[in-house]
Formats: sequence, structure tokens, C-alpha cells
Amino acid sequence: ETGVTQTPRHLVMGMTNKKSLKCEQHLGHNAMYWYKQSAKKPLELMFVYSLEERVENNSVPSRFSPECPNSSHLFLHLHTLQPEDSALYLCASSQEKAGANTGELFFGEGSRLTVL
Amino acid sequence: AQSVTQPDIHITVSEGASLELRCNYSYGATPYLFWYVQSPGQGLQLLLKYFSGDTLVQGIKGFEAEFKRSQSSFNLRKPSVHWSDAAEYFCAVGVEDSSYKLIFGSGTRLLVRP
Repeated sequence: ETGVTQTPRHLVMGMTNKKSLKCEQHLGHNAMYWYKQSAKKPLELMFVYSLEERVENNSVPSRFSPECPNSSHLFLHLHTLQPEDSALYLCASSQEKAGANTGELFFGEGSRLTVL
Repeated sequence: AQSVTQPDIHITVSEGASLELRCNYSYGATPYLFWYVQSPGQGLQLLLKYFSGDTLVQGIKGFEAEFKRSQSSFNLRKPSVHWSDAAEYFCAVGVEDSSYKLIFGSGTRLLVRP
């Protein structure tokens, strides 16, 4: 496999469920990201990990819990979500910092989450 | 704070016509600027980027963009649109510090008429 792979592609869950989103990158990159994409809103950066250390946490509610066990894998654990959390969750990776002059984000295809 | 504005939510062009998508940014210093494209059901893909030097940058799929500091703009252009260009386009700005953040605009959805 190549690039950034996200599973599952679609997820429907109730507000009391616990589920996880998985992301795997095959690019040898150092940094991994979770973004939230909601209709009619700009992409929202949720978390950034660099070399398995969390370096960004953009005031995300605690019902979202990231985990980065190694530089190739990133998880987003979901617990007691709200309907407004329904969105497309995009994982990305980069070799360098995304905002720096060598930075380029490589995105997965996303996990479409629906919270009932 | 940095921000990105894409004033057009939707744009419709005929196949073969030229295209220009607008992007304005707010940032005090020289920004790093990006255009990404998202096809339906896909993640985002980088089209082109500007860091310094020549203000006209070439990207993939025949796209180009011009950085105009005086107008704080980084508009995306293509001389002849193909039906496969129908997608959503996002402008983004990066900042020259230790931040990992890219600030994205809200996107412009491009529709292509046959």
C-alpha cells in the first residue's frame, strides 16, 4: 500500500458508543495530523504528532482522544460523541512541519462519521 | 491572527473555458501559500505552493497561481478547464515559525458544464 490509509471509511455510532478511527502512513513521514471537515466550515486542525509526541491540541473536547503508538500509525478514539461531531475526519502526514517551507500535507481519503 | 478568505463558494465554468479562483490571506510577514484540491470522496491533494522567489508558480494538472503581495492574494488559474477538474479547491497559508498549522480557507466548489 502507498500513501495515507484511513479506516473505516464510514462509521455510524450512537452517542454512548466507543469507537476508533485508524490512520496509517507508508511515506516515512515524521508528523501526523487529524483534521475535522464539516460542511461549510474550513478544515479544523485537531491534533498533531511529531515523532510520536503530541505537539498540537487545538482545544478539542476530551471525548476525542488521539493515540500515536509509532510514527506510522495514528488513532482517534471516540467516546460519548454528540450529533454535531458528525463530519469527515481526515488524517494527514508530512515530512516536515506543515507550515514550514518544505511542508506538504499528504491526506488520506477520510473517515465519514455519523453520530446518531 | 492569520486567516484565509475564499470569497466564492461555488463557481461554474464551461469545459474549455479559463478559470480563476480567488484567495486572499491575512498575515504580517511573507506567507507560505498552498492550493489543495479535493475530489468527491477523496482527501486533499497539493496542487502547488509558494514560498519565495518567482511570484508565478506552476503546479500539477496545468494549474498555476500568482502571489501578489500588494493585494494579499494568491489566485489559482487554469487556461482551459477539463470536466475532471470539477472538485473543491482550498487555499491555505502556513506561517514561518515552529507551528505545524496550515490555515485553510472555506473552499470553492468548481462545477464544469459540458
